[in-house]
Amino acid sequence: DIQMTQSPASLSASLEEIVTITCKASQGIDDFLSWYQQKPGKSPHLLIYDTTSLADGVPSRFSASRSGTQYSLKISRPQVDDSGFYYCLQSYSTPWTFGGGTKLELK
Amino acid sequence: EVQLVESGGGLVQPGSPLKLSCAASGFTLSSNWLNWIRQAPGKGLEWVASIYPDGSSTFYPDTVKGRFVVSKDHARNTGYLQMNNLRSEDTAMYYCARGSDYFDYWGQGVMVTVSS
Repeated sequence: DIQMTQSPASLSASLEEIVTITCKASQGIDDFLSWYQQKPGKSPHLLIYDTTSLADGVPSRFSASRSGTQYSLKISRPQVDDSGFYYCLQSYSTPWTFGGGTKLELK
Repeated sequence: EVQLVESGGGLVQPGSPLKLSCAASGFTLSSNWLNWIRQAPGKGLEWVASIYPDGSSTFYPDTVKGRFVVSKDHARNTGYLQMNNLRSEDTAMYYCARGSDYFDYWGQGVMVTVSS
């Protein structure tokens, strides 16, 4: 199974910072990587697909990149509404596997 | 508008079966992958099942293989997750979601609690 190691597990950031969350795959997954945001008590929703493509309606302050088997989600000048949990997902091979999640708190 | 609405959750005893439904609207399940993902209380997301658009193939992780069965009824535009021999570790919120390489629409989730 492909392991997705996500870091950090939690993060507190100011509204002026650039927030970066990473997922490292245990083996190559090409561009079969997506990112999801989840607010407490709500279902996840898609932010990024195919490693770097922004989902419909997602603000342009969200972006993503890849370097080898390390995938990154970046939030530039985050807003308070960006607080919540973030997960990566690899869909290169079954079992599809999520990263462990990152709790983002904005102060 | 694309919508997915889960139903069928509840409290069941260990070893019991339970069948979840996922009613789709705004798109046709016959043209889309359907997936089930769960989230134990306070934990992260875990993929538990996927089914091809035409229903010809299904996929499961080892944690549920042989106990869970995913299916679709194209006439009703509804997906299902039949869960058998439930264990306490199956206690979770269960979401259905559309998509193959990524999950672009999710339902609101339904809670399944396995406890004696």
